[in-house]
Amino acid sequence: NAGVTQTPKFQVLKTGQSMTLQCAQDMNHNSMYWYRQDPGMGLRLIYYSASEGTTDKGEVPNGYNVSRLNKREFSLRLESAAPSQTSVYFCASSATTQNYYGYTFGSGTRLTVV
Amino acid sequence: GENVEQHPSTLSVQEGDSAVIKCTYSDSASNYFPWYKQELGKGPQLIIDIRSNVGEKKDQRIAVTLNKTAKHFSLHITETQPEDSAVYFCAANRPGTYKYIFGTGTRLKVLA
Repeated sequence: NAGVTQTPKFQVLKTGQSMTLQCAQDMNHNSMYWYRQDPGMGLRLIYYSASEGTTDKGEVPNGYNVSRLNKREFSLRLESAAPSQTSVYFCASSATTQNYYGYTFGSGTRLTVV
Repeated sequence: GENVEQHPSTLSVQEGDSAVIKCTYSDSASNYFPWYKQELGKGPQLIIDIRSNVGEKKDQRIAVTLNKTAKHFSLHITETQPEDSAVYFCAANRPGTYKYIFGTGTRLKVLA
């Protein structure tokens, strides 16, 4: 079971460059999420997708865009990277039924913007 | 706004002792409370969760308690071992959504 796979694991960008973080899950989960993790601030939701074909903003969406390509894949795009976007990015997925379930997280992408 | 407060931010215990991490949530309608363990360089991993219709749940050395009246829940780890050293996050669901609000994390160090 691969679970949630994120690529790349590490990336260094120059200010103004663009890139796409990839995420794929093989658990047939409906919902997928992108979080960023910064020291002392826990995990903050950037965007999420409740189901295939839908996306919505989280707490910190500015400077990001997402695409839910199909049920398995949910990508995060930085159009013009800024130093403030230096962070560790986690993708997660969850089953969504009448009951709540915990997320399954990927192993993260460590992004540095210089 | 909705938030989850987590304390302490760091916790050091001797191997074999117990560790307790506490979280307080703001929205009384929250009804699902997961706990995650994050080891260095890895993503958070769900270790235990509790729903609002129960007051306590145990899984071997780990237990979670929930006090809905006071709007707080706690993680208890007994007989701590060095491999318990990690950052632990609590979370609460945003009512009516499948989004969760995370606490800021507790770095647990188990001293051998």
